[in-house]
Amino acid sequence: GAVVSQHPSWVICKSGTSVKIECRSLDFQATTMFWYRQFPKQSLMLMATSNEGSKATYEQGVEKDKFLINHASLTLSTLTVTSAHPEDSSFYICSGLGGLAGSEQYFGPGTRLTVT
Amino acid sequence: RKEVEQDPGPFNVPEGATVAFNCTYSNSASQSFFWYRQDCRKEPKLLMSVYSSGNEDGRFTAQLNRASQYISLLIRDSKLSDSATYLCVVGSGASKIIFGSGTRLSIRP
Repeated sequence: GAVVSQHPSWVICKSGTSVKIECRSLDFQATTMFWYRQFPKQSLMLMATSNEGSKATYEQGVEKDKFLINHASLTLSTLTVTSAHPEDSSFYICSGLGGLAGSEQYFGPGTRLTVT
Repeated sequence: RKEVEQDPGPFNVPEGATVAFNCTYSNSASQSFFWYRQDCRKEPKLLMSVYSSGNEDGRFTAQLNRASQYISLLIRDSKLSDSATYLCVVGSGASKIIFGSGTRLSIRP
């Protein structure tokens, strides 16, 4: 099956600093990748849709200047949380679109961010 | 009304039981349907795609009812390892994919 990796798997940072999370599709090309956030005991919340070579599309309420997304290649998308605050602490998960019809999402293992 | 709705549960059933979940969607133009499974503190994993003709994979059966706009997942002979949150996913094109909030299933010995 299609494999997506994320790095780092967990990170602790101080308030005010920036954190970059990488999402890679290892054995398929993902023109489209998605970034989600999940708070404890809550469902996945789509933050943005990332398309290779173009600007990301952000969901309502997600600040594009705070959550910078770059999808420079067909196998790599990055999410940078700028000026992180404790309320940004969450589980960030990316996914790439793949499968036979190109409509199945394959998820990375997630990155747990804790902002102190 | 949410675009994709699921009963959050939790469903607490004994091992060996049959359990079914439904998921309703509001966009009649939706084209792709999936069930994902998510274990605690892990990423979602694709369980199965849902086709118009329905599909079965071992103990799992998925059905699509376009007229009533719902999909279902049936788990037969449930195992302890089936305990997880089951997410319904509906797609309306490659970039419009909506997750349900998930149904928690707990299988007891």
